Amino acid sequence: QVQLVESGGGVVQPGRSLRLSCVVSGFTFSDYGMQWVRQAPGEGLEWVALISYDGTKSYYKDSVKGRFIISRDNSKNTLYLQMNSPRAEDTAVYYCAKEENDHWGQGTLVTVTS
Amino acid sequence: DIQMTQSPSTLSASVGDRVTITCRASQTISSWLAWYQQTPGRAPKLLIYKASTLERGVPSRFSGSGSGTEFTLTISSLQPDDFATYYCQQYSSYPWTFGQGTKVDVK
Repeated sequence: QVQLVESGGGVVQPGRSLRLSCVVSGFTFSDYGMQWVRQAPGEGLEWVALISYDGTKSYYKDSVKGRFIISRDNSKNTLYLQMNSPRAEDTAVYYCAKEENDHWGQGTLVTVTS
Repeated sequence: DIQMTQSPSTLSASVGDRVTITCRASQTISSWLAWYQQTPGRAPKLLIYKASTLERGVPSRFSGSGSGTEFTLTISSLQPDDFATYYCQQYSSYPWTFGQGTKVDVK
C-alpha cells in the first residue's frame, strides 16, 4: 500500500536550518510531482512548495521563496524540504503529499523558537 | 495569488441533515478545485477533485459542483464520521491555495 513517512521535524532556533524528509513507497515515485503542505497549530492548511516528477521545476509560496528549497532523490524515493532561516511563523506540522493530492503523510512537527 | 473563501466558517448540524459548504475563488479556476476532510490530529483526506469527481473509496453521499469561481460541497445525509473540518483548494495556478476551512460540528 501507499506510504509517505515524514521525518526531520523538531525544535529549531530562528535563523538556523532544518531538513525534512519524506520517504515514499507503494507507487512509482519518479512518475509524480510531490509537494509540502503545512498547518500551524489550530490553523488551516497552507500550501508550501511543489516539485515536478523529475526535479526540474519547483514552485513556492511567496513567504518561503528564497528560504526553503524543495528537492528530491528519485533513486531513494525521497522528497526533501530544506528550511533555511526559519521564522516563528514557520512553526507547523509539515505534510508531504503527491501532486494529485490523493496520498498524504502523517506529518512532522516543526517548532521554531529561541 | 488566488484567494479562496469558504462559507460558513462553522456549521452546526445533526445526523441525517443535508449539508452544503460554499467555496468562492477570487478569479476563475475552471474546475481545478479539490475538497478535503480533516479530523483532529490526522492528515487531510481527499474527497473530490476536478470540482465534481469523487475520489475512489469516498461515500457517494459526498458530491461537488461548480466551475469558474463558485463551488459547493454537499453531504446528502450527514453521518457520525462526517463531523470534521472541510477545506477547498485551487490547483489552477501557483501558488496553490486553500480556503480557511469549514468546521461541521454537532447541533
